[in-house]
Amino acid sequence: GQNIDQPTEMTATEGAIVQINCTYQTSGFNGLFWYQQHAGEAPTFLSYNVLDGLEEKGRFSSFLSRSKGYSYLLLKELQMKDSASYLCAVLDSNYQLIWGAGTKLIIKP
Amino acid sequence: GAVVSQHPSWVICKSGTSVKIECRSLDFQATTMFWYRQFPKQSLMLMATSNEGSKATYEQGVEKDKFLINHASLTLSTLTVTSAHPEDSSFYICSASTSGDYNEQFFGPGTRLTVL
Repeated sequence: GQNIDQPTEMTATEGAIVQINCTYQTSGFNGLFWYQQHAGEAPTFLSYNVLDGLEEKGRFSSFLSRSKGYSYLLLKELQMKDSASYLCAVLDSNYQLIWGAGTKLIIKP
Repeated sequence: GAVVSQHPSWVICKSGTSVKIECRSLDFQATTMFWYRQFPKQSLMLMATSNEGSKATYEQGVEKDKFLINHASLTLSTLTVTSAHPEDSSFYICSASTSGDYNEQFFGPGTRLTVL
């Protein structure tokens, strides 16, 4: 079966750095997405990785290792508004998006 | 940027009634729209994919006669939950794509459905 694993919840301090991991087992791979979702709202796109390596975009960076079936989202200089759920999703060989359950990130002052 | 709207934002209805949810792409033409359902603390679950002018493709386990999808134009898709029951209470989210590629999906704000 297809599976996306990410931690259920993480807590970090304002101004700090946090890394949210995602591991996946899917039938094929056509890219991995990270989305941010605030409570009661739809997801918003953060990043897309299809090749190995690190993609940096401002305070957010995303890393992918296809051989390990692993990705992480790195958030720097955390702000209170970063409190949200972060969803990892993989595009499989049928171009179907397989979603993780999301990691709820709690930022404390 | 590409904007997708949904209406209504939330709806409460009685069991047995039907509810229609609209998804509109406001500033672009969406060749493909996707409908998702999300239960609390769970993943987004793709329900169906619809292309303008053709029948929707439903995911396994999603009843097409219960969840009617119409994609009549390049800017509008509707999801009708027929004979709603309390177990249909969920957060319904649509997304729209200009090219059909998943990396171009833009999400609507979601509709919270509560069936009493």
